[in-house]
Amino acid sequence: GAVVSQHPSRVICKSGTSVKIECRSLDFQATTMFWYRQFPKQSLMLMATSNEGSKATYEQGVEKDKFLINHASLTLSTLTVTSAHPEDSSFYICSARRAGDYGYTFGSGTRLTVV
Amino acid sequence: GDSVTQMEGPVTLSEEAFLTINCTYTATGYPSLFWYVQYPGEGLQLLLKATKADDKGSNKGFEATYRKETTSFHLEKGSVQVSDSAVYFCALSPRAGGTSYGKLTFGQGTILTVHP
Repeated sequence: GAVVSQHPSRVICKSGTSVKIECRSLDFQATTMFWYRQFPKQSLMLMATSNEGSKATYEQGVEKDKFLINHASLTLSTLTVTSAHPEDSSFYICSARRAGDYGYTFGSGTRLTVV
Repeated sequence: GDSVTQMEGPVTLSEEAFLTINCTYTATGYPSLFWYVQYPGEGLQLLLKATKADDKGSNKGFEATYRKETTSFHLEKGSVQVSDSAVYFCALSPRAGGTSYGKLTFGQGTILTVHP
C-alpha cells in the first residue's frame, strides 16, 4: 500500500510553454503533499507544501507565480511550471503524507528538460 | 534552521566490503531521521527510519542508530553488493505528530559505487 504515482516521468518542452506535473496517491488520502526539486548531482530542495483545499506554502526564493501548485482533492496535487525556461530543467519529486497518520511516500519523479 | 551534513563522496567499494556513510544533523527538538536511496533515473525510496533517540532503523541489511548525544545517524552495512550502487540521502523532519512532519531537510547525498 501507500503508492504515489507521478506523471509524466519525463517531459521535454519548448521554452515559453507551460508544463503540468501530476502527483496522485493511489491507495490513500493525502492531506499534505510536498514538492521538491533536485539539481544534477545535488540534493533535494523543498519548493512548496500543498494542503488539500488551501493555498500552497512556498519556500523562500521559490516563485509562486512560476510554479503553480494546486491540491484540489485528497488524492491529487499538480505542479505547473509556467513559461518554462532552460534553467527550469530539473528533476521534480513529490511526496504525499497520509491522512490520519504521519507516514508519507515519494513519487518516482519527473525529469523536465526545457529546450 | 534544520540542517543535515553527510560525508562527502563518492564512495567506491568492492563487493562484500563494509559500508559506513556518516550523517550528522542540527535541529531543534526531537526530529525523525531517515535514509533514502535513489537509483539512477529514479525517485527516492525510503530505506530506513528512526523516530526517537536510540532507535535503530534497519532494512535490506542496512542499519542506522539515532544518536541524540552525538546528533548522528550513520548508515552501515556489513557486506555491500553491486546492486547497492546508488545515491544515499540522509534526511530529517520535525517531530512525528507535529504539523510539519514530512517536510524533509536532506543532506547533500553520497554516491556509492560497488565493484564486483
